[in-house]
Amino acid sequence: KAGVTQTPRYLIKTRGQQVTLSCSPISGHRSVSWYQQTPGQGLQFLFEYFSETQRNKGNFPGRFSGRQFSNSRSEMNVSTLELGDSALYLCASSPDREGDTEAFFGQGTRLTVV
Amino acid sequence: AQKVTQAQTEISVVEKEDVTLDCVYETRDTTYYLFWYKQPPSGELVFLIRRNSFDEQNEISGRYSWNFQKSTSSFNFTITASQVVDSAVYFCALSEAFMEYGNKLVFGAGTILRVKS
Repeated sequence: KAGVTQTPRYLIKTRGQQVTLSCSPISGHRSVSWYQQTPGQGLQFLFEYFSETQRNKGNFPGRFSGRQFSNSRSEMNVSTLELGDSALYLCASSPDREGDTEAFFGQGTRLTVV
Repeated sequence: AQKVTQAQTEISVVEKEDVTLDCVYETRDTTYYLFWYKQPPSGELVFLIRRNSFDEQNEISGRYSWNFQKSTSSFNFTITASQVVDSAVYFCALSEAFMEYGNKLVFGAGTILRVKS
């Protein structure tokens, strides 16, 4: 079974630009979550999508948005990039069945904002 | 609010030593899940274990063991006879247990484990 796939793996963007990251969950998983990892703030929850609907949201500004498609693939978008947005962005998929809540993570997209 | 504390920022051991990584959590929920993840240099978080708040039995998996104590809100992780390949960052995490609240993991700051040969 293929794991969680995130593309691209690395990205360099300039301040003020926008960026879109992609996540393909494990086949059959309906829940996709996004996390930001930085040296200063650690791992922080961005949002979660389930059946194309945002089900949970962390404390991030509106510049951070996401969506999920009918095949469960998800994208997250960051507009008007700031230097502080430089981070490893991790996507996790979950079966989301009662009693089966493990989140499986992709290798992440490392975003550098210059 | 939920919170996970991993007080040990970095631990260095010599191969074959046993090492325990501490995790203390806070939650007002009576039902929740606790997790441990390993993050090798490649970046992905590798799932190690999930424990339901109602299941306080200790668990052993090969060289790994976990001690869950609800009375002290702790979920500690021990690696027996450590190996160089165990070198990584280890994260403890907490989540609510009900699907309707969605999947949201609250992570600790992580503990860097360095195993020297």
